[in-house]
Formats: sequence, structure tokens, C-alpha cells
Amino acid sequence: DAMVIQNPRYQVTQFGKPVTLSCSQTLNHNVMYWYQQKSSQAPKLLFHYYDKDFNNEADTPDNFQSRRPNTSFCFLDIRSPGLGDAAMYLCATSPAGQPQHFGDGTRLSIL
Amino acid sequence: AQSVTQLDSQVPVFEEAPVELRCNYSSSVSVYLFWYVQYPNQGLQLLLKYLSGSTLVKGINGFEAEFNKSQTSFHLRKPSVHISDTAEYFCAVSPTGTYKYIFGTGTRLKVLA
Repeated sequence: DAMVIQNPRYQVTQFGKPVTLSCSQTLNHNVMYWYQQKSSQAPKLLFHYYDKDFNNEADTPDNFQSRRPNTSFCFLDIRSPGLGDAAMYLCATSPAGQPQHFGDGTRLSIL
Repeated sequence: AQSVTQLDSQVPVFEEAPVELRCNYSSSVSVYLFWYVQYPNQGLQLLLKYLSGSTLVKGINGFEAEFNKSQTSFHLRKPSVHISDTAEYFCAVSPTGTYKYIFGTGTRLKVLA
């Protein structure tokens, strides 16, 4: 089945140690999104790509970076994770102007 | 700017009873409207969407929603809930012509036996 796959499902890292989360899609959608979701809160958009065009939200910390090497893959890099970055990270894709399809998320813990 | 308000953070309801989850939005431009469901430790799954046309929208799992432009609302309803409907429900809007989605803070539906 066509889908959005996030790896790993659970990630533990140390305070300040860089971490990369990955997302792949078989839907061939041109828009990909990264959201941060903390417990009992709404997903918060970090950035999105329209094809290779990167769009950063104004309040996304500089600590968060993203790469999209091709249509299928998108990565979220957290350069120096702090305790406040512990959250569920959700990847989503959509064709332009259509609803988003979400992956199951990566739950990030910071030690 | 757009905003989405889900006034009820939690809604308990008995099995087989009807339920309505409320969503109001604010926007100076036209928007698309969505309801998503999130089960524990999973991503969001689309329940239904309003893009245009009929204001009564039917979705998966027996859910439906009605778009009311004058009241800027998009309430979600189900005539008879099941235990398996226990989950978090998010309302979202997307301004037409953009790729941005604005989510409400969610409503936790708890179905009681």
C-alpha cells in the first residue's frame, strides 16, 4: 500500500547529541511536512517542502533543520536536542491543495 | 491569520449514544476544513474534508460534519459511537491556495461502556 513511513518509531538521544529522523513516502506527493506534537497538544508545523522549495515557519527554532534529497525522502535534523524537544514528530505529505497523509510518527526522548 | 477553536478538550459519552464535537474557526480568506482522528502512538488519519459543494460531508467510520459558513463552524457528529471511537479528534483548516494547515487543540473522545 502507498503510505508515509517514519523511522524509527522511537528514538532516544542524549542531551545535545545530534539526531536525525527520517520520512519516506510512496505516494509521490510534492508537498512534505514536519510537525512537532507534544503531549495533549495540537501538531505544530515546523516546516514544509513544495518539491524542493523549503518553507520554514517563523517560530521554528534554528536547532531544527530539514533536508529533502528527492521526492520520496525527507529528513528532520535536530542539531543539539534539549529536554524541551522531547515530543512526537509527525511527517505528512499531500498533493497540492489536497488533504494530508500522516506517518505514524517518531517519539523522541531526550536523556 | 487563521485560528481553530475546539472548545471541548474532553468529551465522555456512553456507547451507542450520539456525539457532537465542536469546531469553530476564524479566517479572513476562504478555507478548506478537515477532521482528523489520532489513536494513541499513531499519526493522524483523515476522517472527512470539506473543499466545496454540499455543506454536509460524510466521512469514514460513520462520522459526518456540517460546514456552516455564517457561524464559521464545522462540527463533527456521529449518531451512535463505539468503544473503538475513543481517540483524539483534531479539526484543521487550510487557506485555499496555500499548503498550510492550522490545527485545533484537539478533543479527546472517551466512549464509556
